[in-house]
Amino acid sequence: GAGVSQTPSNKVTEKGKYVELRCDPISGHTALYWYRQSLGQGPEFLIYFQGTGAADDSGLPNDRFFAVRPEGSVSTLKIQRTERGDSAVYLCASSSTPSLDTQYFGPGTRLTVL
Amino acid sequence: AQSVSQHNHHVILSEAASLELGCNYSYGGTVNLFWYVQYPGQHLQLLLKYFSGDPLVKGIKGFEAEFIKSKFSFNLRKPSVQWSDTAEYFCAVRDSGYSTLTFGKGTMLLVSP
Repeated sequence: GAGVSQTPSNKVTEKGKYVELRCDPISGHTALYWYRQSLGQGPEFLIYFQGTGAADDSGLPNDRFFAVRPEGSVSTLKIQRTERGDSAVYLCASSSTPSLDTQYFGPGTRLTVL
Repeated sequence: AQSVSQHNHHVILSEAASLELGCNYSYGGTVNLFWYVQYPGQHLQLLLKYFSGDPLVKGIKGFEAEFIKSKFSFNLRKPSVQWSDTAEYFCAVRDSGYSTLTFGKGTMLLVSP
């Protein structure tokens, strides 16, 4: 079946602007994760949803970052007042059983803040 | 908090050479261990995983990894690499009962033909 999809694949914005990044998980997967990968680093956890609720948002760097998953499927990561340091690849992953199953990753959204 | 160390950031090998990539994690207890691979222009894909049982696990494309609990290690091996193995390899750890992964910084493998 279809894998995790993310849109857009690339996003260029100016410092101070607002951006939204979308993730469409594998159908039937109840768990959804957002990670951020900076240049030369491995992915770093941001937030995890189980169904519609954020089960763990301890990785969000500050209150400019917010994510929603209103119907338990598609999720949107929202970044307010973007800063140059927010430039990174934002990865989404999904799994069927959070603590037991493998996470399957999407292709990522490359965000560049000028 | 859990941390993951991958000892080599860049590895260059000739085809048919043997490969071993190191991975160590910091926190003891029960863990799940993963190796993901990212081929050029592609997304992260699972190479292999260890949850329990036989500490020697086999993955796709001839890769294997050995979990050594006493050393907090999960090294990746392949007896004979191919040019198509050129990719970035990430080790990841999940503390049992938790949901999120902690990744190492990755190792970029370049295999010359």
